Amino acid sequence: KQEVTQIPAALSVPEGENLVLNCSFTDSAIYNLQWFRQDPGKGLTSLLLIQSSQREQTSGRLNASLDKSSGRSTLYIAASQPGDSATYLCAVDDSNYQLIWGAGTKLIIKP
Amino acid sequence: KAGVTQTPRYLIKTRGQQVTLSCSPISGHRSVSWYQQTPGQGLQFLFEYFSETQRNKGNFPGRFSGRQFSNSRSEMNVSTLELGDSALYLCASSPNPTASNTGELFFGEGSRLTVL
Repeated sequence: KQEVTQIPAALSVPEGENLVLNCSFTDSAIYNLQWFRQDPGKGLTSLLLIQSSQREQTSGRLNASLDKSSGRSTLYIAASQPGDSATYLCAVDDSNYQLIWGAGTKLIIKP
Repeated sequence: KAGVTQTPRYLIKTRGQQVTLSCSPISGHRSVSWYQQTPGQGLQFLFEYFSETQRNKGNFPGRFSGRQFSNSRSEMNVSTLELGDSALYLCASSPNPTASNTGELFFGEGSRLTVL
């Protein structure tokens, strides 16, 4: 059974710092992995989608990597800003045709 | 291009009642999936519909059901509501079904259900 874990559960850093969020999964048989952000009381916004054949994806200040063999993905945020404060979730699209979600990392960027 | 629209945004029900939630996907998207989000359990998959067919169902009791119409709009229904059904119900649409390797998801703002 696929399990997805995100560490840390919460993170608070000063504005301007570079930071890394972690996502691990137990079964490497995935089709893709996605990173989302969720603002309080809102829906989710897709940030990056990494297909199983890819190693990384970049969008602006965000870079996500995928290492299927070790069951890990990282989301790198460069030059963090207060507007980056949100909960970040990763989800894997596994061989059972459903998304399995991590519990999320709550990120606070202090001005 | 309009996003995913969920209605109602907020609703309050009492135990034993039933509720129907609606989701209108992005135009041209044929896959609609539903998720329940609670502080204790996080995000959990309910079911996915593609071209009016349920492709997969999560581990929820039969009180949770759904359907998809020919215009890709979807509804989910919860009967005999329990206190534990209080949650944010999120709908997501995609051009393709999950496990297609291209299935980026677009989420609505959710329907927040409170059961008293």
